Amino acid sequence: DTAVSQTPKYLVTQMGNDKSIKCEQNLGHDTMYWYKQDSKKFLKIMFSYNNKELIINETVPNRFSPKSPDKAHLNLHINSLELGDSAVYFCASSPLGVGADTQYFGPGTRLTVL
Amino acid sequence: KQEVTQIPAALSVPEGENLVLNCSFTDSAIYNLQWFRQDPGKGLTSLLLIQSSQREQTSGRLNASLDKSSGRSTLYIAASQPGDSATYLCAVRPGSARQLTFGSGTQLTVLP
Repeated sequence: DTAVSQTPKYLVTQMGNDKSIKCEQNLGHDTMYWYKQDSKKFLKIMFSYNNKELIINETVPNRFSPKSPDKAHLNLHINSLELGDSAVYFCASSPLGVGADTQYFGPGTRLTVL
Repeated sequence: KQEVTQIPAALSVPEGENLVLNCSFTDSAIYNLQWFRQDPGKGLTSLLLIQSSQREQTSGRLNASLDKSSGRSTLYIAASQPGDSATYLCAVRPGSARQLTFGSGTQLTVLP
């Protein structure tokens, strides 16, 4: 299936741990994004990568570090997890050129920090 | 700073009703506006995209309008069905930047 996929779907961990969330898209898109959806359902952009290059880096703690090994993957690594990091994290992708305005979202990763 | 507000936060209607969801944004200098649908435990699905130069877009039973000067958009759903139950999110793309600014959504329940 062509899609944006994320792993894991659920992640429960203790404060202070380091964890990673993986994202892959097989749509051939050039741009990928990470969004955070908090408990009030607000979705906020965290990062955007275009062809493996960081183009958007909103004000997020530097404990969050995106890694793009190739243009089909954008992983999110989080160090020293805090309670406030609990949220649903969505990966998305979009093409350049025609259709660039539409972003395709993954199913989300629900992170719970205890 | 762009802010997007959606009213109401939750809406419950009987099947077959026509309904309107509202979205407002504070900065009218937008590139486009999109409506998404989010089902529990799933990602977002793009429903309609309106460019800043357009007034409305239609897809099946859905019609989205845009009044950029007043900072408002509406999503009209005709003849609602239980399968329409979901959270509907409005998002604007500000100018040349590609990231989206989202509202907090309207949770719609269509009762059979």
